[in-house]
Amino acid sequence: GDSVTQMQGQVTLSEDDFLFINCTYSTTWYPTLFWYVQYPGEGPQLLLKVTTANNKGISRGFEATYDKRTTSFHLQKASVQESDSAVYYCVLGTGNTRKLIFGLGTTLQVQP
Amino acid sequence: EAAVTQSPRNKVTVTGGNVTLSCRQTNSHNYMYWYRQDTGHGLRLIHYSYGAGNLQIGDVPDGYKATRTTQEDFFLLLELASPSQTSLYFCASSNWGGAGQNTLYFGAGTRLSVL
Repeated sequence: GDSVTQMQGQVTLSEDDFLFINCTYSTTWYPTLFWYVQYPGEGPQLLLKVTTANNKGISRGFEATYDKRTTSFHLQKASVQESDSAVYYCVLGTGNTRKLIFGLGTTLQVQP
Repeated sequence: EAAVTQSPRNKVTVTGGNVTLSCRQTNSHNYMYWYRQDTGHGLRLIHYSYGAGNLQIGDVPDGYKATRTTQEDFFLLLELASPSQTSLYFCASSNWGGAGQNTLYFGAGTRLSVL
């Protein structure tokens, strides 16, 4: 079945550090890959959506791409700020279902 | 901006109690979803619906019922609540095509404690 694996449970960085979060996915269908972000006390919200392999999604200073060959996708940001502290979910969507498959989430803590 | 409103925001009940969580979306979206969020498990889909009167079973449906009364309103029912259902519940909506291709818009969540 379809699945997504998000290995990094917690990441702690200092302001202006580089962020890189990686996930792997498995599906027999053409995938759409998403990154959702959840700030404390709120529901998740869409950060980025990537529909084509090796194309880059960009939003709020974050970049995301996915690699069909390695079935991996990642989120990066060149210089994180304390306000980026949140939980980041990698999410798999496939055209054959009306559901999304969420990774377990990566808690990012950015220290001033 | 898409709007999904959940009520109540917090709820405490006892084992065996009857609980109804409410969700209203004003986005004119077709799809609505109920998720639970637990440490170590992330977000798990309980039930979803693609229109009034429709119900689809999610990945963790046991112990939950749901009903979509109108395009705007989706309810989650726990008829015999158990402590294992203590969790943070999120409602979400999305447009035609469903969440596989479209953005999910989440509410702020309902925190349920079953004592």
